[in-house]
Amino acid sequence: DVKVTQSSRYLVKRTGEKVFLECVQDMDHENMFWYRQDPGLGLRLIYFSYDVKMKEKGDIPEGYSVSREKKERFSLILESASTNQTSMYLCASSLRVGGGYTFGSGTRLTVV
Amino acid sequence: AQKITQTQPGMFVQEKEAVTLDCTYDTSDPSYGLFWYKQPSSGEMIFLIYQGSYDQQNATEGRYSLNFQKARKSANLVISASQLGDSAMYFCAMSRNSGNTPLVFGKGTRLSVIA
Repeated sequence: DVKVTQSSRYLVKRTGEKVFLECVQDMDHENMFWYRQDPGLGLRLIYFSYDVKMKEKGDIPEGYSVSREKKERFSLILESASTNQTSMYLCASSLRVGGGYTFGSGTRLTVV
Repeated sequence: AQKITQTQPGMFVQEKEAVTLDCTYDTSDPSYGLFWYKQPSSGEMIFLIYQGSYDQQNATEGRYSLNFQKARKSANLVISASQLGDSAMYFCAMSRNSGNTPLVFGKGTRLSVIA
C-alpha cells in the first residue's frame, strides 16, 4: 500500500524554537507539497518541490523553509516558531504537480 | 488565477438520504481537473473522485458522483444513501492540466450525518 508518512501526529513546541516536520513517501513521486490547514481557511500551500533540491514558494511561505535532499523526503522547517504557526500541517505527493495527491495523516502543531 | 468556492460551511443530512455539496470554480484555462477529498476527524485526506474538463460524462465512484456543469463552472459532489461514516470535512480542488501548478483547494464543507 502506497504511503505518505509524517513523522509526528501531534507536536508541541515553544515560541522561538526551530521546528522540523518530516514527510516521507514510498511512491517514487517527483512532486511533494506542504499545506497548512486552518478552520475556515481551507488548505493553503506553503511550499512545493518538483525534484530533488528544487523548491517553489506557495501562497504563504513566510516563516517557513523546506529541504529536499532525497526524492522520498520533504522537510518543512519553522525557523523560529511563533504562536500564529499553530496549525494542522499536511504533506502530499503526486506524480504530476497538477495531478491527484496522496496525503499524509497530518501533523497538528501547537506553539506555546 | 484559479479559485474554488465552497459556500456551505456546514451541512446536515439524515442517514440513507442523498446530499449535494456545492463547489464552483473560476479558471480561464480550457484544460483542468476537478477533485473531491474527504477528511475524517482522524485528519487524513482521502481522494474520492476526479473529473477532467473534457470528460463527456459525469464521474462516478460507488456512492459518489460529480455533477459537472461546465457552463456554470460548478462541480458538485453528490453522496447517495448517506452513512454515519460519511460525517467529515469535504474539500473541492482543481488543477491546471497545462503548466506546473499545484492544486487549489476550497475552504471545505463539514458534513454531519444524523441517525
